[in-house]
Amino acid sequence: DQQVKQNSPSLSVQEGRISILNCDYTNSMFDYFLWYKKYPAEGPTFLISISSIKDKNEDGRFTVFLNKSAKHLSLHIVPSQPGDSAVYFCAASEGGWGKLQFGAGTQVVVTP
Amino acid sequence: GAVVSQHPSWVICKSGTSVKIECRSLDFQATTMFWYRQFPKQSLMLMATSNEGSKATYEQGVEKDKFLINHASLTLSTLTVTSAHPEDSSFYICSASQDSSNQPQHFGDGTRLSIL
Repeated sequence: DQQVKQNSPSLSVQEGRISILNCDYTNSMFDYFLWYKKYPAEGPTFLISISSIKDKNEDGRFTVFLNKSAKHLSLHIVPSQPGDSAVYFCAASEGGWGKLQFGAGTQVVVTP
Repeated sequence: GAVVSQHPSWVICKSGTSVKIECRSLDFQATTMFWYRQFPKQSLMLMATSNEGSKATYEQGVEKDKFLINHASLTLSTLTVTSAHPEDSSFYICSASQDSSNQPQHFGDGTRLSIL
């Protein structure tokens, strides 16, 4: 049973524009949410996180929004750069920084 | 900081062979390490959680006698795929976290395992 879902397998965005990645979850006990970026043949790299007591967290070009009532979070990347082209995974954990449930990932392609 | 090294990065071996994959935290002590596997175009699936000095906790459906995990020190965990078969071919990734207080997991670069 997939508890974390990323319904968009791919996203194409023009350089300089905003990339918006979406993630939905079903487990209301999740209290930490993370976004990871992954290049082919490499492990995921941590990008940004948010705890359930917040609804927004910002770090440079990356902002994560959490809507607990809708069980939805999103990652905004602005402005998008060619180096942002990668697969982005949404992940969630229950009860702190424990084991993570991952979404299926969204392939982002930033075009010149 | 927070570098996790995984070795080997790529293994090809015959069916029936046992394969050991190492996961090391290079610049921090990892009280907890996690092992994931990823099939093509699918999500990372947690296989097991290992805590230093204790037995690993396996996720439902993961055979603990098939996938042996040892976490003998705060910087090293190993996953041994015993008597590997073609269906075990996958991308195995480890991660480590420093402690349980607001530290995200940091991942190794993964091991591509191909069983012929």
